[in-house]
Amino acid sequence: AAGVIQSPRHLIKEKRETATLKCYPIPRHDTVYWYQQGPGQDPQFLISFYEKMQSDKGSIPDRFSAQQFSDYHSELNMSSLELGDSALYFCASSLESYEQYFGPGTRLTVT
Amino acid sequence: LAKTTQPISMDSYEGQEVNITCSHNNIATNDYITWYQQFPSQGPRFIIQGYKTKVTNEVASLFIPADRKSSTLSLPRVSLSDTAVYYCLVGAYNNDMRFGAGTRLTVKP
Repeated sequence: AAGVIQSPRHLIKEKRETATLKCYPIPRHDTVYWYQQGPGQDPQFLISFYEKMQSDKGSIPDRFSAQQFSDYHSELNMSSLELGDSALYFCASSLESYEQYFGPGTRLTVT
Repeated sequence: LAKTTQPISMDSYEGQEVNITCSHNNIATNDYITWYQQFPSQGPRFIIQGYKTKVTNEVASLFIPADRKSSTLSLPRVSLSDTAVYYCLVGAYNNDMRFGAGTRLTVKP
């Protein structure tokens, strides 16, 4: 069965640079979620989209933005990167409000 | 958003049944209870969801008392591969749910 695809899987950036993470949800899923998980921490909800519209916002920094495109893929844009942004970033998708299916994550390292 | 409380960690041995209890005293009428499992460096994986009484699937059971202020995830006959972090989430829909501090389960041989 198709799963959530995230790219890239690994990304190394320097402080103050920008990064773009991509997420391709499971076909026909209508909701996409973004999470950030720092080392040894629990997943923190950042933002979600339902049918290409932002549906909820969590602890997403102002330096980050996200959108969902007409083909339902989503991108998380991160600017002015800081060392503390180093984390695993997960994308998840769901159909309506049923279980969330998580992708493999993008490991971002900021040096 | 309903807050949940779980034990920080638990240890068990292979073949034993493990019960992880989650407290959610201010659960709302429309809230569901959902459990996820997470292995290191992987995304969380849905285990089970319930509203009241008991739910069972091929990997776990979920027991919810009548007052719904707590729930217990039961893993029968655990193996080493069940070593993971388990999260209890409460909410009326996915956007209403947040990952709190999960329970780190260690299964020993």
